[in-house]
Amino acid sequence: GNSVTQMEGPVTLSEEAFLTINCTYTATGYPSLFWYVQYPGEGLQLLLKATKADDKGSNKGFEATYRKETTSFHLEKGSVQVSDSAVYFCALSDGGYSTLTFGKGTMLLVSP
Amino acid sequence: EAGVAQSPRYKIIEKRQSVAFWCNPISGHATLYWYQQILGQGPKLLIQFQNNGVVDDSQLPKDRFSAERLKGVDSTLKIQPAKLEDSAVYLCASSPTGEAGQPQHFGDGTRLSIL
Repeated sequence: GNSVTQMEGPVTLSEEAFLTINCTYTATGYPSLFWYVQYPGEGLQLLLKATKADDKGSNKGFEATYRKETTSFHLEKGSVQVSDSAVYFCALSDGGYSTLTFGKGTMLLVSP
Repeated sequence: EAGVAQSPRYKIIEKRQSVAFWCNPISGHATLYWYQQILGQGPKLLIQFQNNGVVDDSQLPKDRFSAERLKGVDSTLKIQPAKLEDSAVYLCASSPTGEAGQPQHFGDGTRLSIL
């Protein structure tokens, strides 16, 4: 079956530090990959996505590259802000429908 | 564009009681999803509708959970009777057609606490 593994949190950084959150996946087919972000008390928001190998998704300074050879989709940002504090979920959809399989989430805490 | 609407935001009940959640997806979205998110975990799909038909309910505990999407628009999810392990946030999401690779749009969720 499909699965997503994320690094455990919390990840604690100072403002302007570099961020990496690791994500690896297992899928039976050729999945699409997503990063969602969840702010406290809110639902999930799509951050970025990639649908084929070597695609780079980017949004709001965040980037992730679809690496088929390593089955990975690591999230990066060059300079984090306090407002980036949230829980980040890596997810995949595989097959004919867009059903999502999520990782457990990684909490990011950014201090001034 | 109005987002996915869910109600109520919070619900507290005792075990063995029943509860219902409501979701109104983004206008025109054919696909609707219900997820269960237990504290500290990622969302887990409970049921997926395509218009008013069920596409996937393989992880729905059918002895206590039920869901419907009459007329292919809004949806209700019911739990009867509730158990302690049902304490979670219940998220509703929608997407335009449900095709592979299409992102989902989430509501803010209903936080359910079972006493």
